[in-house]
Amino acid sequence: QVQLVQSGAEVKKPGASVKVSCTASGYTFTAYFMHWVRQAPGQGLEWMGWINPNSGGTNYAQKFQGRVTMTRDTSISTAYMELSRLRSDDTAVYYCAGQYGSGSGPFDPWGQGTLVTVSS
Amino acid sequence: SYEVTQPLSVSEALGQTARITCGGNNIGSKNVHWYQQKPGQAPVLVIYRDSNRPSGIPERFSGSNSGNTATLTISRAQAGDEADYYCQVWDSSTVVFGGGTKLTVL
Repeated sequence: QVQLVQSGAEVKKPGASVKVSCTASGYTFTAYFMHWVRQAPGQGLEWMGWINPNSGGTNYAQKFQGRVTMTRDTSISTAYMELSRLRSDDTAVYYCAGQYGSGSGPFDPWGQGTLVTVSS
Repeated sequence: SYEVTQPLSVSEALGQTARITCGGNNIGSKNVHWYQQKPGQAPVLVIYRDSNRPSGIPERFSGSNSGNTATLTISRAQAGDEADYYCQVWDSSTVVFGGGTKLTVL
């Protein structure tokens, strides 16, 4: 079945970077845009941006521009999200989510989430 | 930037109809998607493009969208429907989520 599997939990110090991976299976990797969404403890969903796995093109939410980089490796059907200059308020669960095709489609499927804890 | 507004919480009696709203300027002109999130789990798509149900989602879940309000309706609410619900729209090339609504089934 269509599935996204993310890398494991991370603990980072303020100022460091984190790179989370998301591996797709059960579908053609390049057919789905890959989005990244985060959720701070007890808070709602926050969209971070997307990558087009086919072209490598990206679009980042303004809040994260300059700190986030989304990449992909089509040979292993994996997308990556790297967030730099981490702060304590970056502590959150980070999700990848697939969106079929382009346009204004929904997110389905979602990865299981990766907890990133930023603490000194 | 575009904003969408959801009530923080909605409560409904077991077996009754729960309605969760998502407000935004002329949201009726946009496609609205709805997600259910239970504690400790990833979100799950329950309604897409205003009123369409993915396979595996019960018919009790339905959606509508007109004017400035989109609505997720859960008929015959069950204890298992207790969760946070988020609406989501696209604004140009960016994505906007509502703040989420906690549904309590009494």
